[in-house]
Amino acid sequence: DAKTTQPNSMESNEEEPVHLPCNHSTISGTDYIHWYRQLPSQGPEYVIHGLTSNVNNRMASLAIAEDRKSSTLILHRATLRDAAVYYCILSGYGNKLVFGAGTILRVKS
Amino acid sequence: NAGVMQNPRHLVRRRGQEARLRCSPMKGHSHVYWYRQLPEEGLKFMVYLQKENIIDESGMPKERFSAEFPKEGPSILRIQQVVRGDSAAYFCASSPRIGTQETQYFGPGTRLLVL
Repeated sequence: DAKTTQPNSMESNEEEPVHLPCNHSTISGTDYIHWYRQLPSQGPEYVIHGLTSNVNNRMASLAIAEDRKSSTLILHRATLRDAAVYYCILSGYGNKLVFGAGTILRVKS
Repeated sequence: NAGVMQNPRHLVRRRGQEARLRCSPMKGHSHVYWYRQLPEEGLKFMVYLQKENIIDESGMPKERFSAEFPKEGPSILRIQQVVRGDSAAYFCASSPRIGTQETQYFGPGTRLLVL
């Protein structure tokens, strides 16, 4: 099964950009890269996903390496409300999401 | 468009009782997924259902747990004869289609506490 590796935790200052890395060296050609986040005491929330090209939406940007073995979620201006656990997930397991431990993002004011 | 709804949000049961967790998917979504998050652990897939069919139950314990998604009404996750180890947050998600690029939309969860 394709796995992802993320740092356990990261810290950012408010109003500054945050780059959350994810390694997925065994990704297959059909795997999409999905990012979800989970705020304290809430259900997971979709952030962004992509296949090969970089993606932007109102929440974040996703930068995908050319060889697709890694990707980076970019929050352009972190706010206190962005403090959450961020999960990098590869699709391709049928229709189930396989969550790892994720990265705990702490945002300092 | 209302999001995924789950009820109850909190449920307290004594050992041996039954727990019934309900999930109403987003309008137009016919695919439902249940996940469990044990205290201080990550989310684990339990079961994937389409209307009236269980498609993948590979993550569901073989005993005491069952799930359904009837033609009409919400999806139900039932836990019979609950034990303390069942205490967890149970999240439901839905999607409009199947496919590796499809987004799953999660509900707020039901927090089950077994006394």
